[in-house]
Amino acid sequence: DIQMTQSPSSLSASVGDRVTITCRASQSVSNYLNWYQQKPGKAPKLLIYAASSLQSGVPSRFSGGGSGTDFTLTISSLQPEDFASYYCQQSYSAHYTFGQGTKLEIK
Amino acid sequence: QVTLRESGPALVKPTQTLTLTCNFSGFSLTTSGMRVNWIRQPPGKALEWLARIDWDDDKFYSTSLKTRLTISKDTSKNQVVLIMTNMDPVDTATYYCVRMGSSEQGLNAFSIWGQGTLVTVSS
Repeated sequence: DIQMTQSPSSLSASVGDRVTITCRASQSVSNYLNWYQQKPGKAPKLLIYAASSLQSGVPSRFSGGGSGTDFTLTISSLQPEDFASYYCQQSYSAHYTFGQGTKLEIK
Repeated sequence: QVTLRESGPALVKPTQTLTLTCNFSGFSLTTSGMRVNWIRQPPGKALEWLARIDWDDDKFYSTSLKTRLTISKDTSKNQVVLIMTNMDPVDTATYYCVRMGSSEQGLNAFSIWGQGTLVTVSS
């Protein structure tokens, strides 16, 4: 199975900061890379699909980039509601796999 | 509006078999390109994909769990069922039923999630 590795595992930041989370695949996944946001006690929510396409209704401060094995999720200006956990996930192989998650906390 | 809702026992004993049902509305699993998955998340841990069933009855399973999983659908009832055998305390998790975007539209992501159901494995 394709292994997905996120960094950092946790991150402290302030409202208004620009933050970037990275995700690395153990082999090329082309652009079959998705990002999710999860708040405590809630189901995950799709933010970005196909590496850089913004899901309908997601604020434009979220953006995704990369291809092959290296990907990024960037939040241009953190808002209070953005403090959550974030997961990357590959859909290149039908044996889908997720990263271990990045917890974004308030500094 | 597309919705999915999971149901099943909140508590199972070790070695027992777990049966989870996903009732969905707003789409049909007879429509070309539709796909429904099960994903789980142990408390405080990461997401883990378990299984997928497609409109044409194709099925896919987690490599590590495939010997214990069976996924099926009842299109007349708008249901997807997941069976997991030989439950163990490490299987304690919230189990989610999730629809993928249509393969025909190229949306290969988990776009709509149920609320999840917590299953605890304990004697």
